[in-house]
Order: sequence, then C-alpha cells, then structure tokens
Amino acid sequence: GAVVSQHPSWVICKSGTSVKIECRSLDFQATTMFWYRQFPKQSLMLMATSNEGSKATYEQGVEKDKFLINHASLTLSTLTVTSAHPEDSSFYICSARPGAGEWTQYFGPGTRLTVL
Amino acid sequence: GESVGLHLPTLSVQEGDNSIINCAYSNSASDYFIWYKQESGKGPQFIIDIRSNMDKRQGQRVTVLLNKTVKHLSLQIAATQPGDSAVYFCAENIMGNQFYFGTGTSLTVIP
Repeated sequence: GAVVSQHPSWVICKSGTSVKIECRSLDFQATTMFWYRQFPKQSLMLMATSNEGSKATYEQGVEKDKFLINHASLTLSTLTVTSAHPEDSSFYICSARPGAGEWTQYFGPGTRLTVL
Repeated sequence: GESVGLHLPTLSVQEGDNSIINCAYSNSASDYFIWYKQESGKGPQFIIDIRSNMDKRQGQRVTVLLNKTVKHLSLQIAATQPGDSAVYFCAENIMGNQFYFGTGTSLTVIP
C-alpha cells in the first residue's frame, strides 16, 4: 500500500517551454502533497506544500509564478514549470501524506527534467 | 528550512557487518523523524520512523535511536547487505507538517 506515482519519469524540453509533472497517490487519499527538487549528490529541498482545494504554500526563495502547483483532487497534484530554463534542470520528487493523524510521507519515484 | 546535518557523507562497510549512520538536527521542537533510503535515480523509500516520545525503535534489520538531549539520531543496519548500498537521509518534522532533510550519507557495502 501507500504507492505514489509520478508522470513523466523523464522529460527533455527546450528552453522557454512549460512542463507539467503529475503526482498521484494510487491507493490512498492524500490531503497534503509536497514537492521537492534534488540536484545531483545533494539532499531534497522542499519547494512547496500543497493541500487539496487550496493554494500551495511555497518555501522561501521558490518562485510561485514559475512553479505552479495545483492540487485538484485528493489523489492528484501537478507541478508546472513555466518558461523552463537550463537552470531548472533537476530531479523533481513529490510526496503524499494520507493525513488524519498519519505524519509519514510516501514518495514518488521522481521526474528528471532536462532543459536544453 | 531547518538545519539537519549528517556527520559522515560517505560510509563503507563490509558485507555482513553492522552499519551506523548518524544525523544531527537543530530544532528541539521537532517531534517526528524518518529515515529514508534513496537509490540512484529513484525517489526516497521509507525505512523507519520514530516519534520524540521514544528513544528507540526497531524494524527488520534496522534500529533507530533518538537522543533528544543532544539532538542526535542514528540508524543502525544489522548484517549489511549489498542491496543496502544507497544514500540515507534523515528527515525531521514538527507536528506532521513539512519535513526537512539532511545532507545524506552514501553507504557502500563491500562484498
């Protein structure tokens, strides 16, 4: 149980285009989802916290207009990287928390974004 | 974000030996901790968690120890196997909200 999927697993795009990454909780409902980015050989950096039906809360230094987050249902959150540039190339990972007193987060497999 | 650091960035152990990975955290209000394992190119995988009202928790081949006095967390892996080779992160959490991750320790198991 507690499986989280991400799609796509790897995307290559041209500079200036927008890319959407999906995060789904497959066998549970997630009241809260989190988005992280990770550079090679570095730790996970929290970008934003997303609660179903409300606006995402972004961490300091993360541009909310560049990284659009939508949590439209209890099983789906999307991250859209707008006007992507090479410096946005990274490994993006989502996690989902079942809520209702459970604090554990379950992570997706990650999405590798390469911006040319 | 919170400051969560690891003492050793890399660790090499012989297959069959026990491994100990350490983690220091800075926020005394943190009340929940998780150890994650991350293999190359994959998302973090939950290993074991512990709440601040506990000092020790055991799982299958893994034990987490929490010392709140010195804000220190450790992960012990018994009889380390080649499949245990990965990067291990500790993460701290306050009241079930955001998790903040440490730098990570790369564990290499030598056959």
